Parts: sequence; structure tokens; C-alpha cells
Amino acid sequence: KQEVTQIPAALSVPEGENLVLNCSFTDSAIYNLQWFRQDPGKGLTSLLLIQSSQREQTSGRLNASLDKSSGRSTLYIAASQPGDSATYLCAVNQYKLSFGAGTTVTVRA
Amino acid sequence: EPEVTQTPSHQVTQMGQEVILRCVPISNHLYFYWYRQILGQKVEFLVSFYNNEISEKSEIFDDQFSVERPDGSNFTLKIRSTKLEDSAMYFCATKGQGTNTGELFFGEGSRLTVL
Repeated sequence: KQEVTQIPAALSVPEGENLVLNCSFTDSAIYNLQWFRQDPGKGLTSLLLIQSSQREQTSGRLNASLDKSSGRSTLYIAASQPGDSATYLCAVNQYKLSFGAGTTVTVRA
Repeated sequence: EPEVTQTPSHQVTQMGQEVILRCVPISNHLYFYWYRQILGQKVEFLVSFYNNEISEKSEIFDDQFSVERPDGSNFTLKIRSTKLEDSAMYFCATKGQGTNTGELFFGEGSRLTVL
């Protein structure tokens, strides 16, 4: 059974600092990995989709890396802003998504 | 931008009552999913649906749950006799591509509270 772990569970940084969010998974036989953002009480907003054949995917200030063989992905958010405060979820795709518990990010102004 | 729409946004029901949660998928999407998130817990898979039948379901998706596409546009999740432990946020997700590598798009969720 796929297990997805996200470390740290929570992170608080001053505005402008770069964020590094980690995701690990136990079964490397995945199709792809998605990073989501979830605001309190809200739905899941897809941030990045990285295919199993890719090493990296970028969108604006966001960059995600994937090392499938070691079962790891990292989401980098450059120059954080208070609006980046949210919970970030990673999910690995093996016909269905298996989610991590998320990293709750607080960016202090 | 296309989006997945879910109704109701919040429903409160008494234990034992039937509940139907509705989802309007992104147009031309062919794969449909229900996930749920109990407060403070991980998002977990319930069921996937393609070509008018269930593709896969989790152990959570027992006989009290059912899904259907009644009119070719809406996608519904029915819980026949709700229990306290069914209280959760239920998310509909859809995917367009005909492979396993497509991106899933989620709705805003329907919060179900069972009293």
C-alpha cells in the first residue's frame, strides 16, 4: 500500500524567504505526482503536475522536483508572500491519488 | 477557466438519512472521482467512474455508497443511510485525458455534517 509522507507538518517563515516542502512515497511505481494547495475549508487547487519521466516542473515562483527511484519530491516556492499561506498537499498517482497529510505554511508579513 | 462545480457546499443531516452530493464535471472530461477528507485527516480515495461504470473503489466505498451519472452531465454520490463517521468534506474530481497521466481537477467540496 502506498504511503505518502510530508515533512515538515507546519512551517512559518518571514515574507521573502524561500520555501522548501518535502514529500516522500514508498512505492515508486507511479504515473505522476501532483502538488495541490488547500486553503482552510476550501477545495484543492492543482499547482503542478510532474510526470514520472520528468525530473522537474516549473510554474512561476513554483518549482517541483521528482526523484522517482528514491521516492521523493520537493516543492520550492521562491520569494514567499503572505498570500502563499495555505496547506500544500502532494499526491502520487497509481490509477488513483494517494495523498500526504500536507504541510501548513504561514508566511509572516 | 473550466472548473468542477459541487453542490451543496454544506449539508447537515440526521443519522440514517439519505444524502446526495452533486458534481458538474469539466466539459469533455471522461473520468470522475470522489474523494473525502475527514477533519484533520488525509484526503482519501473513494471511487473512480468511467464509461458509466465504477472503475475502482476503496474499502471505504461499501454498500451504503453509490455513484451515477443520471443525465450525462451531473455526477452524483449517494449515501443511503448516513452515519456519524460519514461527516467529512467530499470532493469530486475529474480528468480529461484517456490515459493514467492526466491531471485531476478538484471541486470546492461538499461539507457533510451528520448529527
